[in-house]
Amino acid sequence: GQNIDQPTEMTATEGAIVQINCTYQTSGFNGLFWYQQHAGEAPTFLSYNVLDGLEEKGRFSSFLSRSKGYSYLLLKELQMKDSASYLCAVKTGANNLFFGTGTRLTVIP
Amino acid sequence: DTAVSQTPKYLVTQMGNDKSIKCEQNLGHDTMYWYKQDSKKFLKIMFSYNNKELIINETVPNRFSPKSPDKAHLNLHINSLELGDSAVYFCASSQAGAPPSNNEQFFGPGTRLTVL
Repeated sequence: GQNIDQPTEMTATEGAIVQINCTYQTSGFNGLFWYQQHAGEAPTFLSYNVLDGLEEKGRFSSFLSRSKGYSYLLLKELQMKDSASYLCAVKTGANNLFFGTGTRLTVIP
Repeated sequence: DTAVSQTPKYLVTQMGNDKSIKCEQNLGHDTMYWYKQDSKKFLKIMFSYNNKELIINETVPNRFSPKSPDKAHLNLHINSLELGDSAVYFCASSQAGAPPSNNEQFFGPGTRLTVL
């Protein structure tokens, strides 16, 4: 089976840094994705890690440790518009993505 | 220039009815998907499909069936709708490829289904 865990909710202050963790136990691993989903909208792609290490893309960075089954998404210089759900997803096999339950981030002034 | 589109955006229907949701992608992708997102916002794969293979999540009731008239379309038919089918259904597409290709999935805007 597939098991992907993330915190349900987090709150952070505008301008601060927040780290959203994800741990996984899956049968097969072909990469880990982070998606952002604003309320009432579709998920949109943020990052992809298939090798260990840190991938940086502007204010967002994502880290992967395959040996530990662990990833995090780091958001810097938080803005109010970053309030959204952040979904961790593991690709197993050729195509299928298995999602965690998502972390709802609230950015406060 | 919408990449992945779905119709309808909202669907309200009675228990026991049969309904369809349409999905189209203009990205030239070879794989399409259907996801269900329940009230707790958990996004769960239902089907993945390309020209060669339909992969069904074994937890999906056989009342749900995907139909693909061509590579750019994957419609979802639901028979004998039940209250528990109420959810948001997302279509997605991606281009197959081996890692390190990320095969990013692009999602449609979702269809909110309410069964009364």
